[in-house]
Formats: sequence, structure tokens, C-alpha cells
Amino acid sequence: KNEVEQSPQNLTAQEGEFITINCSYSVGISALHWLQQHPGGGIVSLFMLSSGKKKHGRLIATINIQEKHSSLHITASHPRDSAVYICAVSPPKPNTDKLIFGTGTRLQVFP
Amino acid sequence: DVKVTQSSRYLVKRTGEKVFLECVQDMDHENMFWYRQDPGLGLRLIYFSYDVKMKEKGDIPEGYSVSREKKERFSLILESASTNQTSMYLCASRTDGTASPLHFGNGTRLTVT
Repeated sequence: KNEVEQSPQNLTAQEGEFITINCSYSVGISALHWLQQHPGGGIVSLFMLSSGKKKHGRLIATINIQEKHSSLHITASHPRDSAVYICAVSPPKPNTDKLIFGTGTRLQVFP
Repeated sequence: DVKVTQSSRYLVKRTGEKVFLECVQDMDHENMFWYRQDPGLGLRLIYFSYDVKMKEKGDIPEGYSVSREKKERFSLILESASTNQTSMYLCASRTDGTASPLHFGNGTRLTVT
């Protein structure tokens, strides 16, 4: 069983829909990361959080430490949101830099 | 904005060749990383470095080595390329400390024939 599990693996949506991607982990963490990877390979860090909720534009990330679960929400989705979204966790010190990655959720948003 | 630059987007090499993948970052970050990404497996850490001339093995270091002679540059070396090293290779950097995000390069898609 993977230490970081994402669901769903694939997601299709119509433009304007509200989208939720889930991430569950089974290890202790110091932080959780949400990353975005567009076709072609480059990865962008969207959020890093260790508690509560963060918002950036139409993106919201939440984390529940007790339940070892995080969600990434996209409001008013747009075709340019089509990408692979990756959840990753940083273990506690001294292994903070040895991130553990989920296998990603592929999102396609159609006009 | 932080820029992490990988020297090649696509690379095709023959089995047994020595391969160098170069990565340069422009934000004076202490920590640099090399990952490979394969379908269904996610990103896996090959090596990372905390400082010049420092290196630490990641989860899959076999068949690879690294070099960090200058703070801004972190090189991944495949001593004798094999077909099972065909993959997407991603470099990343971050400043020291737990509260810093990773900054990734655009990746190098390596094919070993």
C-alpha cells in the first residue's frame, strides 16, 4: 500500500464545475504539498501546508492532521486547469527533504 | 521568480554511454534534488544535496551518481546508461528549512536505446 494515496486517479469536468481532489497519507508529516504538472513535464508548487486551509485564486487546499487527509478544491474550473495534480508529504525531521509523492490525479476540463 | 533550468528537454542515448544531466538554479538555494518520474510510480528521489560537495542518497540511487561543485549547479550522472533508466528526470531546489516549497525544472525526458 502506498504511503500517499490520491483519488480519483482521473477526473473529467465541464468548464465551471467545482472540483475536489483527495489525498490520504499514512505517515507522520511536517508538511503537505500540492503540485501541478502540465503536459510537457514542468511542475509548479501550488501549496505547502501543515494545518488548516490555504487559498490562492480559485484554488483552495485543506488539511486535517488527525484524519491524515487533504483536499484540493478548484472553483469555477477552466480548461487551463487541465493538468496532473500531485500530492506529496514531507516526513518529520530529520527526513524532511525525503518527500513521498502520490501518483497524481489527471484532470481534464472541457469547454 | 526562482528559475531552475535543466540543460536538455529531450535526450536519446545508447546503452553503455555515460550521460550527464545538468541543473542550474538562480536563487542561491542550499538544497537541490534529482527525481525520476515513471507512469504509475510517481516521483522517486535519486539523490539530493544540502550544500556544495555534499550529497545524500535518495530512494533509488543505484546506477546514478551526482556532483555539486558549485552551489547553483547539481549534476546527475548515469555512469553506464541502461534501458531501464529511460524516464523523465526532474531537478528541484529549495531553500533550507521545512517551510519552503520546492521549485522544479521543466524535466529531461531521457530515452536509452
